[in-house]
Amino acid sequence: DAKTTQPTSMDCAEGRAANLPCNHSTISGNEYVYWYRQIHSQGPQYIIHGLKNNETNEMASLIITEDRKSSTLILPHATLRDTAVYYCIVSTSYGKLTFGQGTILTVHP
Amino acid sequence: DAGVIQSPRHEVTEMGQEVTLRCKPISGHDYLFWYRQTMMRGLELLIYFNNNVPIDDSGMPEDRFSAKMPNASFSTLKIQPSEPRDSAVYFCASSFGGQETQYFGPGTRLLVL
Repeated sequence: DAKTTQPTSMDCAEGRAANLPCNHSTISGNEYVYWYRQIHSQGPQYIIHGLKNNETNEMASLIITEDRKSSTLILPHATLRDTAVYYCIVSTSYGKLTFGQGTILTVHP
Repeated sequence: DAGVIQSPRHEVTEMGQEVTLRCKPISGHDYLFWYRQTMMRGLELLIYFNNNVPIDDSGMPEDRFSAKMPNASFSTLKIQPSEPRDSAVYFCASSFGGQETQYFGPGTRLLVL
């Protein structure tokens, strides 16, 4: 599975959009991009995933570049409860999600 | 649905003791995963099952670790004998279909003294 690169940490003001980037330059054609987050002391929580097209759900939007070498997770109106570690994962292997170090997002009042 | 259920939530034991962690996946899910999380190594996949059959155990650290899934609603992860370096948070997750959303349990916090 392709490796991902994410910034170690990011800050965001409450109520503003949080844009979390992820580079996956070695992604192959059949690999999906997944985003999970982990709030302190809890298990990881699925956010969104996509293959080629941009995706949106009630939690976030996922923007994948045309060459699929990078993506951005957008939390449109960040709240304090969105403070967490955000993991970007690319995978095609059934069941095998390889978690990296992720991005620590801190939302400030 | 109650989600993925793990027990115990906390476990403190002494080196050399046997430890058994338990997981009840979400009803109807056919994939079950065991992960371990430490500060040093992050979140690692240990093993996963599909329809109660172990598919990939390449992440199991050594023979002291074993996992079973006797039926669709129950799985165990056993460490025998336990060592201090096994101290970690162990998560169980389940999904319907391997490429679908994985739902994680609350984790078991294991401390081996």
